[in-house]
Formats: sequence, C-alpha cells, structure tokens
Amino acid sequence: DSGVTQTPKHLITATGQRVTLRCSPRSGDLSVYWYQQSLDQGLQFLIQYYNGEERAKGNILERFSAQQFPDLHSELNLSSLELGDSALYFCASSADGLAYDEQYFGPGTRLTVT
Amino acid sequence: GENVEQHPSTLSVQEGDSAVIKCTYSDSASNYFPWYKQELGKRPQLIIDIRSNVGEKKDQRIAVTLNKTAKHFSLHITETQPEDSAVYFCAASSVDTGNQFYFGTGTSLTVIP
Repeated sequence: DSGVTQTPKHLITATGQRVTLRCSPRSGDLSVYWYQQSLDQGLQFLIQYYNGEERAKGNILERFSAQQFPDLHSELNLSSLELGDSALYFCASSADGLAYDEQYFGPGTRLTVT
Repeated sequence: GENVEQHPSTLSVQEGDSAVIKCTYSDSASNYFPWYKQELGKRPQLIIDIRSNVGEKKDQRIAVTLNKTAKHFSLHITETQPEDSAVYFCAASSVDTGNQFYFGTGTSLTVIP
C-alpha cells in the first residue's frame, strides 16, 4: 500500500458524460500528479499540482481539468467523454516535486466509456 | 517536451538469465531517471532510480546505467526469477521543472521457469 488513495476504483459511463476522479495523496506530500494509462499510449503525464497550485501541464485535453484543494486532495474532471478516454487513470504523490522524490502511485481508477 | 523511447517492448528470458531493457531520452535537461515495475492489475512501483550525476547504480540483482552524452539509460536484471515477470517502465524527468515523469512505452518481461 503506497498511502495514496483513489476513488472510485471502477467507473463505467456513456459518451458525452462527465465524471470526477478523486485522489488523496500520502500524508505530508504536497505534490500530486495525474497520469493516464491506455493500451496504445502507455503512461502519459497529464497535470501536476503543488500545494494547491498548478505546476505543470502535460498532454491534458481541454475537456479535462483538475484541481488540488486546501486539504491537498485532488480531483480530475473529465467531460464530454469519448470512447478513446477509456483508460486507467493514476494519481501519484511526492513530497514536494522539486527534489529527487519518489512518486508513489495510487491504485488507479479504471474508466470505461461506452 | 521530453520524449522517452524504450526497447524492447517484450522480452522473454529463462530463469537465471539476465535481462536488459534500454531507454533513450531527448531532453538534455532531464536529470532524474526512475524505473517502475508494474504487475498485472497493480500500481507502478519504483524499483531503482538514478540521478544525472551518477553513471551507475546497483541494488542487489538490479542495476541501472546512464550515459548522459548519448542520452540513454538501461536497466539490468541478473539471475532473473519468475517473480520478476511484469511490465517495466523507464521514465525521465527534470527536478528543476517539477519532476513530472515522462514514461517509456513499457517492456513486458516474462521469466520462464
């Protein structure tokens, strides 16, 4: 157990819908990262937050947004869902994101868009 | 942005043999290179990492080498065991810009008993 929690574990929804994925980082970690893992794209960095502020953006679609709250949990919002958004979404956390910190991954949320 | 290539995509070895996985990166600013192991249905877990000021690092049966000039790094697993079977991902990041990881496409390693 990495100490990072993600909910829900599985999510099945229809095209065009909107979903919210939730992540709680390890106690004391200030930085949260979101990654998308799909069969054809591998593990792709989406976005990073540090202590409530967006720090870096990767290959995140405009239909996707995220935020980190004062209690440091983070939510990834996916809207106007398409079949291609079906993937495993991982959240990871690290102490501050500016050192050679190990990133601890959560168990992931498996999103299926039908 | 950073682009990480990883080879091979699949690798089968006999138990006890060595396995080598190679990665190249494009951004010379990258200075941290972790390797993650992901078992089926599980989360990625760090197995070893190396910083850009080091050429080699070893931890028991696992070693990583880094060639900054050529921008490539490799994972070496010796005396492989069936429990080493998993998907291995290399990654590159720059701790100067937030340490977000750019992953390779993964290598599925099968160790045949």
